[in-house]
Amino acid sequence: DVVMTQTPVSLSVSLGGQVSISCRSSQSLVHNNGNTYLSWYLQKPGQSPQLLIYKVSNRFSGISDRFSGSGSGTDFTLKISRVEPDDLGVYYCGQGTQYPYTFGAGTKLELK
Amino acid sequence: EVQLVESGGGLVQPGASLKLSCVASGFTFSDYWMSWVRQTPGKTMEWIGDIKYDGSYTNYAPSLKNRFTISRDNAKSTLYLQMSNVRSEDTATYYCTRRVSHWFAYWGQGTLVTVSS
Repeated sequence: DVVMTQTPVSLSVSLGGQVSISCRSSQSLVHNNGNTYLSWYLQKPGQSPQLLIYKVSNRFSGISDRFSGSGSGTDFTLKISRVEPDDLGVYYCGQGTQYPYTFGAGTKLELK
Repeated sequence: EVQLVESGGGLVQPGASLKLSCVASGFTFSDYWMSWVRQTPGKTMEWIGDIKYDGSYTNYAPSLKNRFTISRDNAKSTLYLQMSNVRSEDTATYYCTRRVSHWFAYWGQGTLVTVSS
């Protein structure tokens, strides 16, 4: 299975600040078709996860441009700029390149 | 608006069986692959498996394939997860998700399954 390693485990940020979350995979996430199926999800307190980013850097419908994804191969980053209260929660990366699909353990974003 | 509503969770004894349902609305259910993902009390996310839009093909996490079965009824816009011989480690919130390509675009609110005697 592809192991997804997220760092840090938790992150404290001031409102209006910027943060980065790292996600590394144990194998390349480049699919045979050339696409890289790395996605990011946010689970707000008491809610279901929601899709933020797919295929490394594509924002899902309705997602603010304050969220940006980057990376390639095995190394990926989610950046959140101008952090707002509604951004708080747990962020997960996930890979859909190889079965079984797997997720990182999550990064909790909290207010400083 | 896409809606996925799971049901069927609850307290179940070890070794028992349980069937979860997910009713979909707001989109053409028969056009999409669907998946089940679970989240343990410790917040670990685990993909369970998925099913092709016409129900002709399924994939499962290797550790679960002998006990869990995914099916669908496109006429009822409903996805199912049949769980058998449940164990304490199956205690989790189970989410129905609509797959788009190789990611989970929409999630239901989840249904909690607690396995305990």
